Amino acid sequence: GIQVEQSPPDLILQEGANSTLRCNFSDSVNNLQWFHQNPWGQLINLFYIPSGTKQNGRLSATTVATERYSLLYISSSQTTDSGVYFCAPTPTGGFKTIFGAGTRLFVKA
Amino acid sequence: SQTIHQWPATLVQPVGSPLSLECTVEGTSNPNLYWYRQAAGRGLQLLFYSVGIGQISSEVPQNLSASRPQDRQFILSSKKLLLSDSGFYLCAWTSFNYGYTFGSGTRLTVV
Repeated sequence: GIQVEQSPPDLILQEGANSTLRCNFSDSVNNLQWFHQNPWGQLINLFYIPSGTKQNGRLSATTVATERYSLLYISSSQTTDSGVYFCAPTPTGGFKTIFGAGTRLFVKA
Repeated sequence: SQTIHQWPATLVQPVGSPLSLECTVEGTSNPNLYWYRQAAGRGLQLLFYSVGIGQISSEVPQNLSASRPQDRQFILSSKKLLLSDSGFYLCAWTSFNYGYTFGSGTRLTVV
């Protein structure tokens, strides 16, 4: 099955700093999502991005499906950005989404 | 708008006891439904998925089972819980061209 690798596994930022999270996947995909899991466990869908670039406020995401990677960019980080960020691609021809191990982000005030 | 309900939020059960977790979706029809488990606060493991009433696919052989008695209802069950069944259980739904929406989760502790 598809392999999903997220980097870095852990990240500590000072409030206001920018960061880029990476997701590599081993097979072709027909969609890809980024999620943020807050400290209470709730998973929030950030982006549904099978290809191209999308922006939502301080967050943006880019997926280059042909090269099998996606990036999540966080600008001007805030303490509320802390949590775990998951990349979740769905292999082409399937509907089972596979989650990466996540990047754990802590933003210091 | 679509919403997903999952309950209970927390559950403490003794080893060997039965389990029933329920998930319902509103505002959509014929969704794909999923049960995931998250252990150690990281990484989601797909347990079951369903593309229609009565249609269940199991991803990992284990002590759990799932059922979909109605279009928008998905139930996770166990006849006898094991310590290793502890974890954070999440229900999710998708439909065509619409990404995942997760419920708020059930934190299960088997003692």
